[in-house]
Amino acid sequence: KAGVTQTPRYLIKTRGQQVTLSCSPISGHRSVSWYQQTPGQGLQFLFEYFSETQRNKGNFPGRFSGRQFSNSRSEMNVSTLELGDSALYLCASMVSGRLNNEQFFGPGTRLTVL
Amino acid sequence: AQSVAQPEDQVNVAEGNPLTVKCTYSVSGNPYLFWYVQYPNRGLQFLLKYITGDNLVKGSYGFEAEFNKSQTSFHLKKPSALVSDSALYFCAVRDMTANAGNMLTFGGGTRLMVKP
Repeated sequence: KAGVTQTPRYLIKTRGQQVTLSCSPISGHRSVSWYQQTPGQGLQFLFEYFSETQRNKGNFPGRFSGRQFSNSRSEMNVSTLELGDSALYLCASMVSGRLNNEQFFGPGTRLTVL
Repeated sequence: AQSVAQPEDQVNVAEGNPLTVKCTYSVSGNPYLFWYVQYPNRGLQFLLKYITGDNLVKGSYGFEAEFNKSQTSFHLKKPSALVSDSALYFCAVRDMTANAGNMLTFGGGTRLMVKP
């Protein structure tokens, strides 16, 4: 079974631009979560989507948004990029349900904002 | 709100020696606890989890973790370290309250260095 895939793997943008990152979950996984990883703040939860609905959201400004499609693929968008948005963005998928608790992570998208 | 603490930024151990990476947590209800490992330029890889049952949990690559409810700890252990175990290790807790979804709260990470 193929793992979680994320595209692109690397991205360089300038301040003020916007960016869209994509995540394809493992086949059959309906829950997709996004995390931001930075050296200073560590791993922080952005949001989770399940069945095309945002189920939970972390403490991030409204510039960060996401969506999920009917095939469970997910995208996240960051508008008006700031230097502090430079980070590794990780996507994780899981088979939702209280008995299935592991999240499987993709390799991440490394975003650099100049 | 739940939280996770990993008190050591780095742990150094010689190859062949036992290793321990420490984790303590705080949750309002029952803890669902996880360990993940991250190699350079890679995503997180699941190692093991504690949901309920036996306090000693066995996972991938010879790792195990001991859940201690009274000390609110979930330390990661391995009897004999390998150089290839050198990586960044994260402890995480999942909030099982209603409306929390599948959100994980991570500790700050511990870098494990295994020297030959």
